[in-house]
Amino acid sequence: QVQLVQSGAEVKKPGASVKVSCKASGYSFSSFDINWVRQATGQGLEWMGWMNPNRGNTFYAQKFQGRVTMTRNTSISTAYMELSSLRSEDTAVYYCARGSVTTVTTYWGQGSLVTVSS
Amino acid sequence: DIVMTQSPDSLAVSLGERATINCKSSQSVLYSSNNKNYLAWYQQKPRQPPKLLIYWASTRESGVPDRFSGSGSGTDFTLTISSLQAEDVAVYYCQQYYNTPITFGQGTRLHIK
Repeated sequence: QVQLVQSGAEVKKPGASVKVSCKASGYSFSSFDINWVRQATGQGLEWMGWMNPNRGNTFYAQKFQGRVTMTRNTSISTAYMELSSLRSEDTAVYYCARGSVTTVTTYWGQGSLVTVSS
Repeated sequence: DIVMTQSPDSLAVSLGERATINCKSSQSVLYSSNNKNYLAWYQQKPRQPPKLLIYWASTRESGVPDRFSGSGSGTDFTLTISSLQAEDVAVYYCQQYYNTPITFGQGTRLHIK
């Protein structure tokens, strides 16, 4: 079955960077886009962007352009999302989600909590 | 950007009764070439990722109970739970995937009356 397993919780200081990983299994990693969505505590869902694991091309939401980088390592079926210049407002759970022929976020990882605090 | 607006923000329904959540998009999410609405519904329980319930506005995801149904087209959509069960307590989100940026509604919190 499709599984997306994300890296653990991180605590970062303002101005630092964080890199969250998302290891895929149960399907051909290169066949479906990976999207990243975040959710601040008690808040709604915010889409950050997507990456095509086959070609490595990306599309970022304007809000995050210049601060986010989505990459992958196809040899280990893992996608990464790196967010730089962290501020307190970036404290959130970050999810990776795989698309399908029906939707862009059919399967979700368990989430990775990133806390930004001095 | 397409703005998704859900109503109500919060909803209390008795067990066994019908729950209805609305979602309105700021522009049509109906793709004319295939006549599909690029609208999905998700259920999110505390400390869990969202779970896909409905795609193409009205197609139930595999394994989703048939008490969940989606309807609507263009800019106005509805998620209906025909007979509320205790396990349906959650926050529900609509999402448009017609174009980027992908956008979600603000969520509707459903609880038991």
